[in-house]
This record gives sequence, structure tokens and C-alpha cells, in this order.
Amino acid sequence: GQNIDQPTEMTATEGAIVQINCTYQTSGFNGLFWYQQHAGEAPTFLSYNVLDGLEEKGRFSSFLSRSKGYSYLLLKELQMKDSASYLCAVMDSNYQLIWGAGTKLIIKP
Amino acid sequence: DVKVTQSSRYLVKRTGEKVFLECVQDMDHENMFWYRQDPGLGLRLIYFSYDVKMKEKGDIPEGYSVSREKKERFSLILESASTNQTSMYLCASNMWDRANTEAFFGQGTRLTVV
Repeated sequence: GQNIDQPTEMTATEGAIVQINCTYQTSGFNGLFWYQQHAGEAPTFLSYNVLDGLEEKGRFSSFLSRSKGYSYLLLKELQMKDSASYLCAVMDSNYQLIWGAGTKLIIKP
Repeated sequence: DVKVTQSSRYLVKRTGEKVFLECVQDMDHENMFWYRQDPGLGLRLIYFSYDVKMKEKGDIPEGYSVSREKKERFSLILESASTNQTSMYLCASNMWDRANTEAFFGQGTRLTVV
């Protein structure tokens, strides 16, 4: 079966750095997405990785290792507004998105 | 700049009612999706459509049907609402067969069946 695993909840301090991990087992691979979802709102796109390595976009970076079936989202200089759920999704060989359950990130002052 | 619009933000329906959830996108996307989101379970695909009048079952289609008569509109129908269909429903769209295309989501409909 297809499976995406990520931690249920993480806590970090304002101004610090946090890394949210995602491991996957899917039928084929056409890229990995990270989305941010604030409580009661729709998910919004953060990043897309299809090749191994690190993609940096401002305070957010996303890393992919296809051989290990592993990705992480790195958030730097955390702000209170970063409190949200972070969803990992993999696009399989049929171009269907397989979603993780999401990681709820709590930022403390 | 709203791109995917769902007809209702909150909805309360009675058990046994027929429920229609509407979704409209203005990006000319071929693919449209209906998900439900429940705590601890993530997004689960109910149905998707890759073209007008075409539909495919997702992971949890039981108790639901869909309609896509026009490219921009994708409707989710609960034939006879039950309490276990109380959930957040999310509509999304993206381009056909493009791996690096992000999915755009509507604001979600929180449905409560009483």
C-alpha cells in the first residue's frame, strides 16, 4: 500500500529553527509537495521537490532524498504566524496526490 | 484573487437529506478533486474528475456521487447524509498530467450532519 508518515505534532520557540520530517512509500514518484494549513482554512502550497537536494525559498527550505523515501521541511526564524499544520504529499505514478496526516506545529513565545 | 470557490463555508443537514456541495474554479484546470479531512487522518480522496463528464472513484467513494457538467464546476452529492459524513470537505483543482503543478484548494465546507 501507499503510505506517508509525518509526526503528529511538534513544538518550537519563536525565532528558532524546526525541521518537519516526512517519509513515504508510494507506487512511483512524480514529486513531493509541502502545504501549509492554518486552522479552519484551506491548504496553501509551500514547495515542490522532484530531484534530490535542497530547495530554498526565503525562511522555508525543503529537502528530498528519493533513495531513502525521505523529505523534510525546514523553517527558520520562526514567527508566531507559522503556527499551522504542515502537510506532506507525494504524487504517484498516476499523478495522484497521496497525503500525509499533517504535522501540527505549535510556536511558543 | 479567489481561484477555487466552494458554495458554503458551514452547513448543517439532517440525517437522510440529500446534500449538494458545489465547487467552481476559474483557472481552466482539467483536474478537480473532492477530499474530506478528519483529525488524524489527513486528506482522503472521495472522487476526482479529469475532464467534463468524466469521474473516477477515489479512496472513499461510498455514500457519495459527483457531477461535472462544465469544466469549471465540480459538485459533490451526499445521496442520504449520515452522521459519519460530518467532516471538512475540500475541493481542489490542478492541471492535467503535469507533475509539478500545485493543487489549489477552496476554503473548505464544514458539514455537520445531525
